[in-house]
Amino acid sequence: SQQGEEDPQALSIQEGENATMNCSYKTSINNLQWYRQNSGRGLVHLILIRSNEREKHSGRLRVTLDTSKKSSSLLITASRAADTASYFCATESGGYNKLIFGAGTRLAVHP
Amino acid sequence: ETGVTQSPTHLIKTRGQQVTLRCSSQSGHNTVSWYQQALGQGPQFIFQYYREEENGRGNFPPRFSGLQFPNYSSELNVNALELDDSALYLCASSVKQGRDEKLFFGSGTQLSVL
Repeated sequence: SQQGEEDPQALSIQEGENATMNCSYKTSINNLQWYRQNSGRGLVHLILIRSNEREKHSGRLRVTLDTSKKSSSLLITASRAADTASYFCATESGGYNKLIFGAGTRLAVHP
Repeated sequence: ETGVTQSPTHLIKTRGQQVTLRCSSQSGHNTVSWYQQALGQGPQFIFQYYREEENGRGNFPPRFSGLQFPNYSSELNVNALELDDSALYLCASSVKQGRDEKLFFGSGTQLSVL
């Protein structure tokens, strides 16, 4: 079963626009991570936010976490065609680093 | 690059056969996890190995088994293949960075079961 559920399932925008993806989860977490996957390849870690953090930035990425609503959002500002990929949220709640992924948001950025 | 390599990149098997997938982690990464990703879905946790012992398992039957070796390589074995085993199989090694543990994924093995 998948704990994280991303919304929307697919997003299509123009270069320069911002892209916002949302993630909801079901159980309490230690941290929440966002990963990117290019067309059936391996996943690349983007950012990790701990359960006691509310917001985190990394370059053009901004992640928020609301543990009371069990939700997170990933904002990509000033998007580029190279940002085209699938984005997954993953939660870690066990004693070891077992990640539970959502189904992902497929982002398409058009030049 | 993540420093994690998987082989082969693609594989075709028939139902009932057995398959072994291989992963080579970065030196010093003593934890390896395996994930199954069906088309259009997120990865699902199969199991994790730490210092050559299984350290947690997801909801997968015993015909999914693994090994981890001292040289940071590992294997995923699947017996009695079923059509639903067709998926991208990802291995990920990890290392602790302070309180956080970050996963480094390989590019995966695409398995097709006919």
